[in-house]
Amino acid sequence: GAVVSQHPSWVICKSGTSVKIECRSLDFQATTMFWYRQFPKQSLMLMATSNEGSKATYEQGVEKDKFLINHASLTLSTLTVTSAHPEDSSFYICSARSNIAKNIQYFGAGTRLSVL
Amino acid sequence: DQQVKQNSPSLSVQEGRISILNCDYTNSMFDYFLWYKKYPAEGPTFLISISSIKDKNEDGRFTVFLNKSAKHLSLHIVPSQPGDSAVYFCAASVSRQGGKLIFGQGTELSVKP
Repeated sequence: GAVVSQHPSWVICKSGTSVKIECRSLDFQATTMFWYRQFPKQSLMLMATSNEGSKATYEQGVEKDKFLINHASLTLSTLTVTSAHPEDSSFYICSARSNIAKNIQYFGAGTRLSVL
Repeated sequence: DQQVKQNSPSLSVQEGRISILNCDYTNSMFDYFLWYKKYPAEGPTFLISISSIKDKNEDGRFTVFLNKSAKHLSLHIVPSQPGDSAVYFCAASVSRQGGKLIFGQGTELSVKP
């Protein structure tokens, strides 16, 4: 149980284009999902908290117009990197918090974004 | 301001011996702590957690110890196996603040046969 699917696992795009990343909880409902970013050899940095049916809460320094988050159902959250630039290249990871075991987050496999 | 710190970036252990990974925190409001295991280019996998009302939690080969007065927790893996080789992150949260996880920098464990 507690499987989180993240898609795509790897994407290469041209500068200026937008990229959408999906995060799905496969066998549980998740009112809350989280989006993280990880730079090489560094820890996971929380970007935003995504709540089903309401606006996402962004961490300080994260541009909400740059990183659009939608959480339209209890099993799906999406992150869209708009007008991507090379500095947006990174490893993006989502997590979902079970509505039952609320202290535990289960993570997707991550998405490697490379912007040319 | 690094609220969760893992001061050892790497640890090497012989197969069959005990691995001890350490984590320190500064925020006394943290009331839930978790350990995750991560392979390169993959998402973290949940291993074990502990609430601040406990000082020990055990699950198979994994035991987490919490010392609230010292603001310190540790993960013990015994016996260590080569498949345990990965990066281990500790994380902490304040339950009533939405459960946001604050991660340490990670410790890379290498278990040698």
